[in-house]
Amino acid sequence: EPEVTQTPSHQVTQMGQEVILRCVPISNHLYFYWYRQILGQKVEFLVSFYNNEISEKSEIFDDQFSVERPDGSNFTLKIRSTKLEDSAMYFCASRDKVQYFGAGTRLSVL
Amino acid sequence: GEDVEQSLFLSVREGDSSVINCTYTDSSSTYLYWYKQEPGAGLQLLTYIFSNMDMKQDQRLTVLLNKKDKHLSLRIADTQTGDSAIYFCASHKDTGRRALTFGSGTRLQVQP
Repeated sequence: EPEVTQTPSHQVTQMGQEVILRCVPISNHLYFYWYRQILGQKVEFLVSFYNNEISEKSEIFDDQFSVERPDGSNFTLKIRSTKLEDSAMYFCASRDKVQYFGAGTRLSVL
Repeated sequence: GEDVEQSLFLSVREGDSSVINCTYTDSSSTYLYWYKQEPGAGLQLLTYIFSNMDMKQDQRLTVLLNKKDKHLSLRIADTQTGDSAIYFCASHKDTGRRALTFGSGTRLQVQP
């Protein structure tokens, strides 16, 4: 069964460093998403991406965040200068009719 | 904006039925989902229902939708210990970003 793949499963970084979280969506899907889940809180929408551009973003997705589809398979989330409060699980999803999620990347900012 | 609420915890005995409830606020929500999250794992799509349906059954899972009360439920028949997980209700509209709005999740504990 096709699945969304995320790497790495756990990323540890120092505050102020840049991180790139990677996702390989399901191959025939055209819509891609990033969500995050801070420990003990709800899963929150960050950004949606279609046709090589951002289609919508939440108020969380500020200038320190960016997304890119650098080739035909990868979809990345970059955090330019990480803060302690960026520590969370980050989920990638892709959609045909419904959204399928990856296993997530746990980001720990020290 | 949309808000989705769930009770936080449910404990059942193995073999019993589990019913997990969810309420949502936006009556224009047209797609409603149930996801399962096991410890350390991602969000597994269990089932979904469109707002023009009242019920959907898929093996041990039954989803009921009451549009008037904006209430969604997930019934798991013959609950097994492997069903122990957190269950998330989520919704989105048929237009715009189609980003999901999630509930806080219900932790289901199945006792042998």
